[in-house]
Amino acid sequence: NAGVTQTPKFQVLKTGQSMTLQCAQDMNHEYMSWYRQDPGMGLRLIHYSVGAGITDQGEVPNGYNVSRSTTEDFPLRLLSAAPSQTSVYFCASSYMSATSGRGNEQFFGPGTRLTVL
Amino acid sequence: GQQVMQIPQYQHVQEGEDFTTYCNSSTTLSNIQWYKQRPGGHPVFLIQLVKSGEVKKQKRLTFQFGEAKKNSSLHITATQTTDVGTYFCAGITSGTYKYIFGTGTRLKVLA
Repeated sequence: NAGVTQTPKFQVLKTGQSMTLQCAQDMNHEYMSWYRQDPGMGLRLIHYSVGAGITDQGEVPNGYNVSRSTTEDFPLRLLSAAPSQTSVYFCASSYMSATSGRGNEQFFGPGTRLTVL
Repeated sequence: GQQVMQIPQYQHVQEGEDFTTYCNSSTTLSNIQWYKQRPGGHPVFLIQLVKSGEVKKQKRLTFQFGEAKKNSSLHITATQTTDVGTYFCAGITSGTYKYIFGTGTRLKVLA
């Protein structure tokens, strides 16, 4: 199993450009999420999904879109990049307990380091 | 909104000393998870606590979940240089699927 994969590893954008960060998992996990981590800080939830066709907003969703057309893939789209979006982006996936909704351990991808000039 | 704070923000210890980080939530949590992140790396899952008052041990690491399910702690006995990294807690509230991560505690171990 490859686990959670993210591409690209590094990206530099100019203000106003758009791009898609890719995330894929091969563990058949229902739950997938995107976080951003700014220097010296914790992780903040951007968007999450509890299954194909279902997405919802996290703490900091503005400026980002997501979709979940398959169980495996959960791309994150930056609509019009801004310097404030310079960060490290992590994708994560986990099983979800269907009855309790309590979730399970999250597996993180290696991250995408994004710089917006 | 829900907040999860961790203290201390930084901790430097001599190898062999003990270390504790505390996690406090503004709301009651359904469960809490702990992660370790090495410099330049990604968070790696350590453990999940679900029950009020739960205590779990992993070798030198002891995890506790408070009786009110609003706080948690991670204690490392006799730290080693391999313990270096940032430790995060992450909580989820009942009825939601939003994990909120704590601010993290960065541990440095001096040999």
